[in-house]
Amino acid sequence: AQSVAQPEDQVNVAEGNPLTVKCTYSVSGNPYLFWYVQYPNRGLQFLLKYITGDNLVKGSYGFEAEFNKSQTSFHLKKPSALVSDSALYFCAVSSLRGGYQKVTFGIGTKLQVIP
Amino acid sequence: EAQVTQNPRYLITVTGKKLTVTCSQNMNHEYMSWYRQDPGLGLRQIYYSMNVEVTDKGDVPEGYKVSRKEKRNFPLILESPSPNQTSLYFCASSYRGMNTEAFFGQGTRLTVV
Repeated sequence: AQSVAQPEDQVNVAEGNPLTVKCTYSVSGNPYLFWYVQYPNRGLQFLLKYITGDNLVKGSYGFEAEFNKSQTSFHLKKPSALVSDSALYFCAVSSLRGGYQKVTFGIGTKLQVIP
Repeated sequence: EAQVTQNPRYLITVTGKKLTVTCSQNMNHEYMSWYRQDPGLGLRQIYYSMNVEVTDKGDVPEGYKVSRKEKRNFPLILESPSPNQTSLYFCASSYRGMNTEAFFGQGTRLTVV
């Protein structure tokens, strides 16, 4: 069975500081990994994905994520946090199961950027 | 504009009264799914559909039904809602394939009393 772990319920960071939101995964075969962001009263929005190739993936709003196969991690990062980055962040893994696409989400990490 | 539209956004109902939450997408996506979001549990998949007339159970299908008669629509049906189905529900769509990202609707906040 595949799974995603987001070990931190909440991450607090000062505006202008770098941020990291952690994600580890477990899946059979090659992983397809995603990050989504959810602002209050909104649906999830796609940020970035790792399919293959370069381990550092760049996405929307200045976010990037680093894929580490040996540590089965896919941490989300940003060099300089903005107050507007405050939101709920979800990591997800996708794989084939019985011929069908199976997507599993983590429980989410609340990011609070402090002015 | 590419979008996934859910209706209603908010719904309060009583135990046992059948309800339907509609979902429509305008991107010609093959894959559609329903999730519920609960505090501390993240998003859990209820049902998904790989194409018209092809649906299957997700992780938490009990108490729900779906249908996919047209490619663009994927309604979620609660035949006899119960209070434990009080939750925030999201519909999502994507192109078929493990490497494609999902587009989400705005969500439906359901309260069953």
